Amino acid sequence: RKEVEQDPGPFNVPEGATVAFNCTYSNSASQSFFWYRQDCRKEPKLLMSVYSSGNEDGRFTAQLNRASQYISLLIRDSKLSDSATYLCVVNDGRGGFKTIFGAGTRLFVKA
Amino acid sequence: DTEVTQTPKHLVMGMTNKKSLKCEQHMGHRAMYWYKQKAKKPPELMFVYSYEKLSINESVPSRFSPECPNSSLLNLHLHALQPEDSALYLCASSQEQVNPEAFFGQGTRLTVV
Repeated sequence: RKEVEQDPGPFNVPEGATVAFNCTYSNSASQSFFWYRQDCRKEPKLLMSVYSSGNEDGRFTAQLNRASQYISLLIRDSKLSDSATYLCVVNDGRGGFKTIFGAGTRLFVKA
Repeated sequence: DTEVTQTPKHLVMGMTNKKSLKCEQHMGHRAMYWYKQKAKKPPELMFVYSYEKLSINESVPSRFSPECPNSSLLNLHLHALQPEDSALYLCASSQEQVNPEAFFGQGTRLTVV
């Protein structure tokens, strides 16, 4: 089992749609969780941290379920500019807090 | 604009060359990272420096040699690379290693010929 697994993509949605991504992690002792966004041929950029209590930033909502070891990202009212790869990132907590990236889920938002 | 600066942006080197990648941040972050990213793959962690000391080495071949001269700078020295080492090399920094909300540089696109 991979340490961090994400929904396989790509997701193709129309503008205005709501889309949800899921991510599971294997190490129950993982310490911290993040969603990053990466545009084509650009560097990853932190989208939001994921807290046990949930985290909302405008159209984006992230949730953590420690019991089931999964993280989710919900995007409401999708915009064309949301088209990107979304990377789930887990800080493993072992061996000096190793940061592990999921394979990423590609999102295409179409007009 | 990214606050982590990497140079050069592009690099083409032969298998016998020696070159260095440079990374600089002025955010006062005490953790700095090197990642390697191949096309259509996620970044793979190579090295982590915490307070200028090497904290994690993900079994990277010795032809890659990191160096952290001070808290703002991180170098990656390259020697005798192979064509399969061609990739995007990303530097990142975070406030602390235990709080890895990281800022990435734009990367160096490396081609080994």
